[in-house]
Amino acid sequence: GQNIDQPTEMTATEGAIVQINCTYQTSGFNGLFWYQQHAGEAPTFLSYNVLDGLEEKGRFSSFLSRSKGYSYLLLKELQMKDSASYLCAVRDLKAAGNKLTFGGGTRVLVKP
Amino acid sequence: EAGVVQSPRYKIIEKKQPVAFWCNPISGHNTLYWYRQNLGQGPELLIRYENEEAVDDSQLPKDRFSAERLKGVDSTLKIQPAELGDSAVYLCASSSTSGGGETQYFGPGTRLLVL
Repeated sequence: GQNIDQPTEMTATEGAIVQINCTYQTSGFNGLFWYQQHAGEAPTFLSYNVLDGLEEKGRFSSFLSRSKGYSYLLLKELQMKDSASYLCAVRDLKAAGNKLTFGGGTRVLVKP
Repeated sequence: EAGVVQSPRYKIIEKKQPVAFWCNPISGHNTLYWYRQNLGQGPELLIRYENEEAVDDSQLPKDRFSAERLKGVDSTLKIQPAELGDSAVYLCASSSTSGGGETQYFGPGTRLLVL
């Protein structure tokens, strides 16, 4: 099975930077996804990492270290609209059909 | 391009009643997923379809839950009878294929409240 851990909640100030960590244990790692989910809405895709290193997309960046079973999502120049839950999800090659397993999500609250 | 469509958006029923949810995936996506998301938690997979075939239903409580994807496009998820613990958001997602790095795109979900 898989074990995915991420903090439950984080608070940051508008304009600041927040880093959301995700650690995982899986027997057949085949990619890690980050999704953003606003309250009452569907998760929306943010980023995908399958190789080690940093992927940058505007204000959002995601980093992966496969040897450490670790990823982080970096949110820069925080805006009020970034207040949401951020879900880390890991794909397992050994699970049927590359099953995607989600962490519990990190609720980020951006304050003025 | 239209996203994943789900209906209804909200449903309130009494326990022991049946309920059904409908999903229309993104056009051309052959893989369809049903997830359940409890408050404050991440989505948990219930069932995955490749075209019209259910290829992973290991997490589906088969005593009361059923699903179908006739013609490999739209899908319905049914609960009969519903229990209080079934209150959750039921999310449908789709992707173009099941292997490699294909991204899953989610619908808005159906928020179910069982009284």
